[in-house]
Amino acid sequence: GAGVSQSPRYKVAKRGQDVALRCDPISGHVSLFWYQQALGQGPEFLTYFQNEAQLDKSGLPSDRFFAERPEGSVSTLKIQRTQQEDSAVYLCASTPSYDEQFFGPGTRLTVL
Amino acid sequence: EDQVTQSPEALRLQEGESSSLNCSYTVSGLRGLFWYRQDPGKGPEFLFTLYSAGEEKEKERLKATLTKKESFLHITAPKPEDSATYLCAVEGNSGSRLTFGEGTQLTVNP
Repeated sequence: GAGVSQSPRYKVAKRGQDVALRCDPISGHVSLFWYQQALGQGPEFLTYFQNEAQLDKSGLPSDRFFAERPEGSVSTLKIQRTQQEDSAVYLCASTPSYDEQFFGPGTRLTVL
Repeated sequence: EDQVTQSPEALRLQEGESSSLNCSYTVSGLRGLFWYRQDPGKGPEFLFTLYSAGEEKEKERLKATLTKKESFLHITAPKPEDSATYLCAVEGNSGSRLTFGEGTQLTVNP
């Protein structure tokens, strides 16, 4: 079956612009995670949903970052007033329960 | 706070030259230790989950082992297609999030 998909794959934004990154998890997967991966680093946790409930958002770096999953499937990560330090790859992962997380290809965000 | 340290940062091997990657961790109540492979421009690809000390899992040329403080990813007779970054991550009892190490970049030369 289809894996986790993310769009867009690449996004270039001018400093101060708002961006929205989309994640389509594997069908039926209850849990969905967002991670941020800087160049040469491992992914860092941002936020976690179980169905439509956001159970943990402690990794979001500032109040400019907002995530939602209104119907318990597709999720959107929104970054307002982007800054250069927001440049990174944003990874989405889903899992059916508490097993391994399956990752999408990521969205590479570049803020100029 | 959960922590993961991977070593070495980078490793170059000749084809057929076996070696091991290390993952040291501290976690409050280990629920699982995960190994992922990541190719350039792609998301991490799941390899193994280990749940308790003494556990071992194998897949083709890879074998993962786990102790109470560290995990090893053994690569036997590697091939150039094994070149990738290998990531280790832990899930503790503080939540479902994964805490990743910075990865080991493996290059296997033909």
